[in-house]
Amino acid sequence: GQQVMQIPQYQHVQEGEDFTTYCNSSTTLSNIQWYKQRPGGHPVFLIQLVKSGEVKKQKRLTFQFGEAKKNSSLHITATQTTDVGTYFCAGSGGSNYKLTFGKGTLLTVNP
Amino acid sequence: EAGVAQSPRYKIIEKRQSVAFWCNPISGHATLYWYQQILGQGPKLLIQFQNNGVVDDSQLPKDRFSAERLKGVDSTLKIQPAKLEDSAVYLCASSLNSGGAGEQFFGPGTRLTVL
Repeated sequence: GQQVMQIPQYQHVQEGEDFTTYCNSSTTLSNIQWYKQRPGGHPVFLIQLVKSGEVKKQKRLTFQFGEAKKNSSLHITATQTTDVGTYFCAGSGGSNYKLTFGKGTLLTVNP
Repeated sequence: EAGVAQSPRYKIIEKRQSVAFWCNPISGHATLYWYQQILGQGPKLLIQFQNNGVVDDSQLPKDRFSAERLKGVDSTLKIQPAKLEDSAVYLCASSLNSGGAGEQFFGPGTRLTVL
């Protein structure tokens, strides 16, 4: 079945540093979504990427979808303490758009 | 608009007991999902409904788990009998699109502890 791998598992940064998490799928994806889960909270949708090579920005967050539609990345510029949480990528490749989540990257930010 | 509602928020049971979780999706959302999230991992899809029909239940342990979505709105997920490895957060989510990709809205989850 479809597998989605995410690295790193953990990342600790000083406030103001940049952060990147990477996502790789074992199969070609029809789309990829990114979610953020705060400690003790539930996943919250950030964005969806559909097109090959697509790049989308949300303020300090930049999302990319690879040309082969098998990998993606999330980059945060100048992290803030409010960025703390686990970032999940979730890929969809089937006709029913079933999402397969990666294990997530836990980001902690030292003020 | 109101979000996805789930109850109970917490449940502690002993192994071999049964338990049921309830979910009320966002009004008008055709697709409803149940996920299992074990500590330190991403959510794993257990079952996906579109209206009141099952779209995918390939990862649902059908010998002990069951789910239904009557009238295409509320849904219940049941575990009978529970095992220690069922300890997890059970997340319900819904999405507006029927049969298409789109943002999933998650409820607060039910944290299940099996002793």
